[in-house]
Amino acid sequence: GNSVTQMEGPVTLSEEAFLTINCTYTATGYPSLFWYVQYPGEGLQLLLKATKADDKGSNKGFEATYRKETTSFHLEKGSVQVSDSAVYFCALIRTGNQFYFGTGTSLTVIP
Amino acid sequence: NAGVTQTPKFRILKIGQSMTLQCTQDMNHNYMYWYRQDPGMGLKLIYYSVGAGITDKGEVPNGYNVSRSTTEDFPLRLELAAPSQTSVYFCASSYSSGGSSGELFFGEGSRLTVL
Repeated sequence: GNSVTQMEGPVTLSEEAFLTINCTYTATGYPSLFWYVQYPGEGLQLLLKATKADDKGSNKGFEATYRKETTSFHLEKGSVQVSDSAVYFCALIRTGNQFYFGTGTSLTVIP
Repeated sequence: NAGVTQTPKFRILKIGQSMTLQCTQDMNHNYMYWYRQDPGMGLKLIYYSVGAGITDKGEVPNGYNVSRSTTEDFPLRLELAAPSQTSVYFCASSYSSGGSSGELFFGEGSRLTVL
């Protein structure tokens, strides 16, 4: 079946530190992969996406590369800010209309 | 542009009570979804709809019902509330099935507690 596994949180970093949140997936064929972000008190919103192998999604300084050989889509940012504090969800869609979400990773950035 | 609007934001129910979570979107999206978010469990799909008059079950449909009489509205009904339905509920919509655009637009969530 389809599933997404992402690293457990919570993650606490100092401002300007490097961020990696690991995400691996299980799916038949070629899913599209996404990172969604949930800021406190809000719904989820799309952060970035990649629709085929070796694609790199990027937005707001965040990047993730679709790695078919390792079935991974790790989220990275070179220098985090306090405003990046949020919960990050990795997700995939394979066919049909069902997204599969990871359990979410909470990030807190301290000044 | 309001996007996806959910009401109520918070609700406390007693076991056995019924209620409807309202969801409306003003983006003319065909696809609408209801998810529940439990701590440490990510999002689970309850029901979804690909257009007015068409609904289908997701991963965790038991204890819920939906209807889609218009493109804009997709209410979620709990008939006999149980403590296991304590959760945060999110409504979402998208223009396409997600394979090409992949963007779900979420409401702000409804926190439901069943005591």
